[in-house]
Amino acid sequence: EPEVTQTPSHQVTQMGQEVILRCVPISNHLYFYWYRQILGQKVEFLVSFYNNEISEKSEIFDDQFSVERPDGSNFTLKIRSTKLEDSAMYFCASKLGRGRDYEQYFGPGTRLTVT
Amino acid sequence: SQQGEEDPQALSIQEGENATMNCSYKTSINNLQWYRQNSGRGLVHLILIRSNEREKHSGRLRVTLDTSKKSSSLLITASRAADTASYFCATDVAGTASKLTFGTGTRLQVTL
Repeated sequence: EPEVTQTPSHQVTQMGQEVILRCVPISNHLYFYWYRQILGQKVEFLVSFYNNEISEKSEIFDDQFSVERPDGSNFTLKIRSTKLEDSAMYFCASKLGRGRDYEQYFGPGTRLTVT
Repeated sequence: SQQGEEDPQALSIQEGENATMNCSYKTSINNLQWYRQNSGRGLVHLILIRSNEREKHSGRLRVTLDTSKKSSSLLITASRAADTASYFCATDVAGTASKLTFGTGTRLQVTL
């Protein structure tokens, strides 16, 4: 069964460093998302991406964040200068279509630890 | 209450019993989806119920949706120890880019 994959599973970085989190969505899906979950808290939406552009972003997704789909398979989230408060589990998700019929499928997550 | 709030926050039952979790939300939705998360792990999709559906079944799962009350429930029948996890509802809000808004989750503990 197709699945969303994410690498790395765990990333440790120092404050101020840039990180790139990678995702491979399900191959025929058209809508892509990043979410994050700070330890013990609810899952929060960061950004949605469709047709090679951002379709919606949350207040969390400030100028330090960017997303890219550099080729036909990868979808990346970049944090330019990490802060301690960026420590969280980051989930990528993808969906086949838009509307009420379509499930979002999530990857296993990347645990980002900023020290 | 916030969009997508579950109750109870925690539920402890014995194996074989049924577990019921509730979710409330505030806005119009395209659909509501339930996910399961084992401690510190990924989100596993369980079931989707569309805004024009009232009930849906999948194996031991039964989901109801009441759009007039903006609420949903997830029933797990004949629970097993392996069902121990956190369960989240997530709403696909109408008029957005189909982002999901997650609830606070119910931590289910099933004991032998």
